[in-house]
Parts: sequence; C-alpha cells; structure tokens
Amino acid sequence: QQQVKQSPQSLIVQKGGIPIINCAYENTAFDYFPWYQQFPGKGPALLIAIRPDVSEKKEGRFTISFNKSAKQFSLHIMDSQPGDSATYFCAASRAGTALIFGKGTTLSVSS
Amino acid sequence: DAGVTQSPTHLIKTRGQQVTLRCSPKSGHDTVSWYQQALGQGPQFIFQYYEEEERQRGNFPDRFSGHQFPNYSSELNVNALLLGDSALYLCASSLAPQTHNEQFFGPGTRLTVL
Repeated sequence: QQQVKQSPQSLIVQKGGIPIINCAYENTAFDYFPWYQQFPGKGPALLIAIRPDVSEKKEGRFTISFNKSAKQFSLHIMDSQPGDSATYFCAASRAGTALIFGKGTTLSVSS
Repeated sequence: DAGVTQSPTHLIKTRGQQVTLRCSPKSGHDTVSWYQQALGQGPQFIFQYYEEEERQRGNFPDRFSGHQFPNYSSELNVNALLLGDSALYLCASSLAPQTHNEQFFGPGTRLTVL
C-alpha cells in the first residue's frame, strides 16, 4: 500500500518556467509534509515543509500548496533555473513517526 | 556546525557477507533514523533509534539490526547480504521523536552486493 503518491515521475521545463509536482496522501493522521531535493550521489536535503493548519507556504522561489480536504499537496518552483535540476521527493508523517516518501520526480530545467 | 556524516562512502560486498554502516548525527540531535533508497525510488524507513533503543521499525527483516551509542552515533548492520540489499543507505538525524520530524540526511553509503 503506497501511502504517498507522487506525480509526475519526470518533468522537463525551460529556464524561468514554473514546474509543479503533486502528491496525494491517504492517512488523515499525517500532520507534517516536507519536500526534499536530492542531487545525484547526495542525500536528500530539506527544502520546505508545511503543516495542515495552513494552505500555502513560501520560502524563496519554492511554494507548497496544501489542500486538506483533497488530501493533496504540491510544490511549485518559481523562475526555475538549471541548478534546480534534481530529484524532488514529497513525504508525510505524523508526530513521532517515520517519514513516508513518494517515489520522486526527476526535474530537468533546460537553459 | 557539522551536519550528518556517514561512513564509508561506498562499499562492495558479496552475497552472504555482513556489513556495518556508521552515522554521526548533526550536532544537538539525539535521534537517528535509517533509510534504504533503491535506485530510482524514494527512501524507505528501516528503523529509528532514540536513547539507545530501537523505537520504531519499518518493514525490514531481522537481518537488519542497529545500535545507538551514548554519544548518539549509530550503526546499521545487515547480515546474510542479498543482491537486493544493494542500495544507498541514508542516515537522518533529528531531535527527540516526540517532536515533529524535521529530519536532516547524511550523504549516504552506497552498498553494492555482488
């Protein structure tokens, strides 16, 4: 049973575009939703995270939109750059439990 | 401020052997979680250690075991290695597990089983 479903599997955008990555979760007890960025050969790095009491959170060029009723959340990358080319993972957890990760989205930003 | 460190970086073993991977958490963190990341997949939770005890465990067989030391560092041991154990093994550290899980990952250990 996959508790966090992520789409698309891969994404190609031009520099300056706004890639959007979507995740859906099943467990309504989840109360923490982070996004991680991973470059080849490196560990995942925490980008931004949201809790279900807010519908949107912005940090720099990264924005999370959260829809509690639909059990969905998404990552938007504004003014994307070639350096943003990486694999992005959404995750979910409830307090005191392990992170459940999506399968990842490989983003390629062309110059 | 040192982040999460892991050793070794790469490791090659043969089927049936045993392996030990090591992790030092980020300064100030007391909880260590281990994840397995197969190629092209998201990390899968193996187990979590806090106060030198295993607190949570994912869906992994008993061949996977661990330990946490008084200085909060941790080891992951895998016995009777299988080809399917080839993966990137990630260590993540955080504060006490009762808090929301802002976890910081190390660079990982790439294990290849031949």
